[in-house]
Amino acid sequence: SQQGEEDPQALSIQEGENATMNCSYKTSINNLQWYRQNSGRGLVHLILIRSNEREKHSGRLRVTLDTSKKSSSLLITASRAADTASYFCATDKGSYKLIFGSGTRLLVRP
Amino acid sequence: DAGVIQSPRHEVTEMGQEVTLRCKPISGHNSLFWYRQTMMRGLELLIYFNNNVPIDDSGMPEDRFSAKMPNASFSTLKIQPSEPRDSAVYFCASTGDGDGAFFGQGTRLTVV
Repeated sequence: SQQGEEDPQALSIQEGENATMNCSYKTSINNLQWYRQNSGRGLVHLILIRSNEREKHSGRLRVTLDTSKKSSSLLITASRAADTASYFCATDKGSYKLIFGSGTRLLVRP
Repeated sequence: DAGVIQSPRHEVTEMGQEVTLRCKPISGHNSLFWYRQTMMRGLELLIYFNNNVPIDDSGMPEDRFSAKMPNASFSTLKIQPSEPRDSAVYFCASTGDGDGAFFGQGTRLTVV
């Protein structure tokens, strides 16, 4: 069964705009991770945030985690056409077993 | 390191045939995962190994599916007999410290 659910399912923005994707999960976690998948390719790990962290940055990526609401958000600033991909959140309850959400399809229009 | 290597990249087989998917994890990683991805069900965790031992196979859909990890550098996922509903992209992933999994490029399986 899926642990995380992303929202929205699809997002279309103009190049240069910011993109925000949300993830909700059901049970307590050790960490939450975000991945990107380009069409026809494998998933690529973007960023990990631990349960005792509230915010993390990596380049143009900003991730927040609210354990009281069991939710996380991924913000991509100054989006580029190359950011077009599907984005997935995955939860780890401490056993390294990753459960993925259904993903957000992001389209960045040039 | 070349990353997680999966073979074959594409497999087309007839219903009833045996299919074997292969995976070579990143050297030094001690956890390995098999996932299946379809449009309808998304990414499903089938089974995961830690130090070559199957830890959780609750995602394996049926007895037709089996997975092995005979050593730290090799794993197989076998489907016997295959059915059209097994058509999907199968991913192998590995992690060493839990700080992010590395995925292979996947095997696109089509059962006709």
